[in-house]
Amino acid sequence: DIVMTQSPDSLAVSLGERATINCKSSQNIVYSPNNKNYLAWYQQKPRQPPKLLIYWASTRESGVPDRFSGSGSGRDFTLTISGLQAEDVAVYYCQQYYSTPVTFGQGTRLEIK
Amino acid sequence: EVQLVESGGGLVQPGGSLRLSCAASGFSFSSYWMHWVRQVPGKGLEWVSRINSDGSSPTYAESVKGRFTVSRDNAKDTLYLQMNSLGADDTGVYYCTKEGWKYQYFEIWGRGTLVTVSS
Repeated sequence: DIVMTQSPDSLAVSLGERATINCKSSQNIVYSPNNKNYLAWYQQKPRQPPKLLIYWASTRESGVPDRFSGSGSGRDFTLTISGLQAEDVAVYYCQQYYSTPVTFGQGTRLEIK
Repeated sequence: EVQLVESGGGLVQPGGSLRLSCAASGFSFSSYWMHWVRQVPGKGLEWVSRINSDGSSPTYAESVKGRFTVSRDNAKDTLYLQMNSLGADDTGVYYCTKEGWKYQYFEIWGRGTLVTVSS
């Protein structure tokens, strides 16, 4: 199984500042024939199910604010939230869908400083 | 509106069984592969099972293989998870999810149903 490791485990950022969450896979998750990275990001607010933010490492899901962006390739990926808002307090997960079983990172808790 | 609504969770004794259901609406259910993902309260996410669009090819996590059975009724737009020989490690919120078109990221999640295995 591919192991996904996120860093940090928790993060406190001031309103309006930038938050950066990292995700590293135990093996390459880019598929050469289509050159796509099989990586998604989710946001989970308290008492809610996860919500898809980004797929293909950098494609924003419809309706997701453009302050959320994804980057990276191969084994190293980043979720960046530019201009943090109070409503962004949540736990964020990365997920690889390159191979079955799909696997998730352990989560990063984002709070307001 | 695209919606997934799980039901069937509850308290069950170790070794017992439970059947979860997930009612889908707002999309062409029979066209999509569907998944179950679980979460221990306060912990991370674990993929449990998936089933292809016509129900002919189920797949399971090693942790549930041989104990859980996923199925679907496309006429009723409903996904199921039959869980047998339940143990404390199976406790958690079980989410029904719809994957993206032909790829295993999860576009839509239900609100989940809580399964508690305890004596």
